[in-house]
Amino acid sequence: EPEVTQTPSHQVTQMGQEVILRCVPISNHLYFYWYRQILGQKVEFLVSFYNNEISEKSEIFDDQFSVERPDGSNFTLKIRSTKLEDSAMYFCASNARGPSYEQYFGPGTRLTVT
Amino acid sequence: RKEVEQDPGPFNVPEGATVAFNCTYSNSASQSFFWYRQDCRKEPKLLMSVYSSGNEDGRFTAQLNRASQYISLLIRDSKLSDSATYLCVVNGAAGTASKLTFGTGTRLQVTL
Repeated sequence: EPEVTQTPSHQVTQMGQEVILRCVPISNHLYFYWYRQILGQKVEFLVSFYNNEISEKSEIFDDQFSVERPDGSNFTLKIRSTKLEDSAMYFCASNARGPSYEQYFGPGTRLTVT
Repeated sequence: RKEVEQDPGPFNVPEGATVAFNCTYSNSASQSFFWYRQDCRKEPKLLMSVYSSGNEDGRFTAQLNRASQYISLLIRDSKLSDSATYLCVVNGAAGTASKLTFGTGTRLQVTL
């Protein structure tokens, strides 16, 4: 069964450093999403992406964040200058039919900012 | 009122029990509804979509009441492997179609 994959599984970085989190969505999916979950809290939407552009972004997704689909398979989230409060689990998700339909999540990247 | 509200639990039930979870959502224009399960420090995994007519998948039954803005999940004959956090998820809860809005989850612990 096809799965969303994410790398790395765990990233430790120092405050102020740039990080890039990578995702490979399911191959025939066209809609891509990033969510984050701070430890002990609920899953929160960051951004949705379709047809090579951002469809929707939350207030969390400020100028420090960017997304890119650099080739036909990868979908990346970049945090330009990490803060302590960016420490969280970051989940990539994808689906084939659009935002009203079920989304499939990758295993997540645990980001620790020290 | 929270966009998606759930009782956090935990619900501690013996194996074989029937357990029900409830969820309410604030935006009457919400479009799609789902139950996901999340194991500790893992990704949310889709359990089932929820339709107005109600739907069943094995031991799991989901119901949606649009008038009351209420979603439920019933688990029959609980197994130890059902222990997890159950997430009520709504699309369009905040007035935008692109994102899923998650509840905080209800934790279930099934014991021998």
